[in-house]
Amino acid sequence: SAVISQKPSRDICQRGTSLTIQCQVDSQVTMMFWYRQQPGQSLTLIATANQGSEATYESGFVIDKFPISRPNLTFSTLTVSNMSPEDSSIYLCSVGVTLNTEAFFGQGTRLTVV
Amino acid sequence: KQEVTQIPAALSVPEGENLVLNCSFTDSAIYNLQWFRQDPGKGLTSLLLIQSSQREQTSGRLNASLDKSSGRSTLYIAASQPGDSATYLCAVNNDRGSTLGRLYFGRGTQLTVWP
Repeated sequence: SAVISQKPSRDICQRGTSLTIQCQVDSQVTMMFWYRQQPGQSLTLIATANQGSEATYESGFVIDKFPISRPNLTFSTLTVSNMSPEDSSIYLCSVGVTLNTEAFFGQGTRLTVV
Repeated sequence: KQEVTQIPAALSVPEGENLVLNCSFTDSAIYNLQWFRQDPGKGLTSLLLIQSSQREQTSGRLNASLDKSSGRSTLYIAASQPGDSATYLCAVNNDRGSTLGRLYFGRGTQLTVWP
């Protein structure tokens, strides 16, 4: 199993500002993902965080808006840039050790943009 | 593109009832399927993982079945308790055509168990 520490757990931010969310795993993992959960919706994948290279973004998400870093196999950050109220969501970090094992999630970051 | 549907969207039952939550997916080429629980404003807790070659998995009062060929999974909760109140999410891991390891989620079933 993997234990994930995600920070901050929640924040209220002014529009136009940026917020960086951190995801720390207690062991090395090959797969690390960032998801967004908008109010009343299910989870949507933002991007795959690749260690040592640029993240792979899903359709509708771009690097300028959601820059991601992954400097090693245990840590990643997601930045939500130039925020607007539409960015108010829960952002979740997820990891996978192998394809045959469970995916694990952090506790999420509840972001409110005012 | 994989699409996951969960029925019902919401369920409210008295304590002690046995429950069935349904999940269906459009592309049967999956690696595995996972059921999660999400408490309000929180992250996801993994409940059960079923590999594509398996038919079911059990953990305590929970039993999940998988019929890969028909694109269906069922989560059975026995003797429900108020502490089971949460949103239950179904997610599949495709084995082709997408980023390995990424999950496709349903919208969830919001369960309320009242005393």
